[in-house]
Amino acid sequence: EDKVVQSPLSLVVHEGDTVTLNCSYEVTNFRSLLWYKQEKKAPTFLFMLTSSGIEKKSGRLSSILDKKELFSILNITATQTGDSAVYLCAVNLSSNTGKLIFGQGTTLQVKP
Amino acid sequence: SAVISQKPSRDICQRGTSLTIQCQVDSQVTMMFWYRQQPGQSLTLIATANQGSEATYESGFVIDKFPISRPNLTFSTLTVSNMSPEDSSIYLCSVGQGTYEQYFGPGTRLTVT
Repeated sequence: EDKVVQSPLSLVVHEGDTVTLNCSYEVTNFRSLLWYKQEKKAPTFLFMLTSSGIEKKSGRLSSILDKKELFSILNITATQTGDSAVYLCAVNLSSNTGKLIFGQGTTLQVKP
Repeated sequence: SAVISQKPSRDICQRGTSLTIQCQVDSQVTMMFWYRQQPGQSLTLIATANQGSEATYESGFVIDKFPISRPNLTFSTLTVSNMSPEDSSIYLCSVGQGTYEQYFGPGTRLTVT
């Protein structure tokens, strides 16, 4: 069965801290891995990763994929209270269907 | 990325009734999907909305309960039929094309009483 597992499930940090969120997967026909940030209802797209070892970066957020060990990490440096959200990892199973399998999410709370 | 809108944003419905949720995109897209997020849970794919043909449903979801239409490349609807409190969820449409990045609409929060 296709599976995506995120850890930790929840995390509380203080402003300025650096956090690392983990996503591991066991799936057939891996196509890509996507990270989303969900604050209220709608997940907002952060990154899509297809190749191992190539870091994607956007401001204080960065992510990297390891296709050999089947995991990805999302780093957030110098955290701010606005980073408080649920971070979702999803795997795209096939180039034909576009289907996404989601992990459980990591709830991040950043305290002032 | 495409701009996606959903209507309604939220609704409170009575058990046994049906609700149709609309998803509109500001540009033509290849793929449209409908997801459900039950309280405290992650997202689960309900179905892929296929333009001009029947939707492709995931295991555990059936057309009689979740009929879907997709008359063109910019619009789709999801109906939640004969609702029960277990259908209380956030319903999200997403779109994808090309590189298969997927973008989500703002979601519909449904409460069934």
